[in-house]
Amino acid sequence: QVQLQESGPGLVKPSQTLSLTCTVSGGSISSGSHYWSWIRQPAGKGLEWIGRVYNSGSTNYNPSLKSRVTISIDTSKNQFSLNLRSVTAADTAVYHCARAPSGIAFDIWGQGTTVTVSS
Amino acid sequence: QSALTQPASVSGSPGQSITISCTGTSSDVGSFNLVSWYQQYPGKAPKLMIYEDSKRPSGVSNRFSGSKSGNTASLTISGLQAEDEADYYCCSYPGISNYVFGTGTKVTVL
Repeated sequence: QVQLQESGPGLVKPSQTLSLTCTVSGGSISSGSHYWSWIRQPAGKGLEWIGRVYNSGSTNYNPSLKSRVTISIDTSKNQFSLNLRSVTAADTAVYHCARAPSGIAFDIWGQGTTVTVSS
Repeated sequence: QSALTQPASVSGSPGQSITISCTGTSSDVGSFNLVSWYQQYPGKAPKLMIYEDSKRPSGVSNRFSGSKSGNTASLTISGLQAEDEADYYCCSYPGISNYVFGTGTKVTVL
């Protein structure tokens, strides 16, 4: 059974870069027509899609975040990563990674990791 | 692109049916976009309940059903149970990129 696990710093200073990694276990990140996404949720608020990567390395981003986001994939480590630059307090949220078969819907989610932006 | 509009809260008694709406525009929900629905308990990751507007993943109770008409998608929970008390989110996917989530609905079982 495929499982996803987010990892990375829980505290990031304003103007710095938020970097998170999602490790895929129980299956290959390269198998199937799966898209791998990052989704965030500020405390008490709704979900926001950040962007996704395919096993070929091709990416799509939320237009509202596109200028600050880079998502990459490392098939040798069965991981994909998120870099969000120039963060502010508004980027404080729980960050989830998720799988979308053929991009249709998010069928497997990581438990989420809380990232706080504060000096 | 703006979030899809959902009612902030919906409530019902055990055994009743409730429906959660998800309203977009002719550019998202009302177009070719595929709608999915997610259930989320506090402090937990969302769980896929409905995909491609009305399909249920394996293991999801048949008390959950989805539909779409015009610019509005709907999630119906029949035979409401205490365990259904959670937050629910819709999501529109245009088939290319840029998923858009709904504002979320808190379901309360009275």
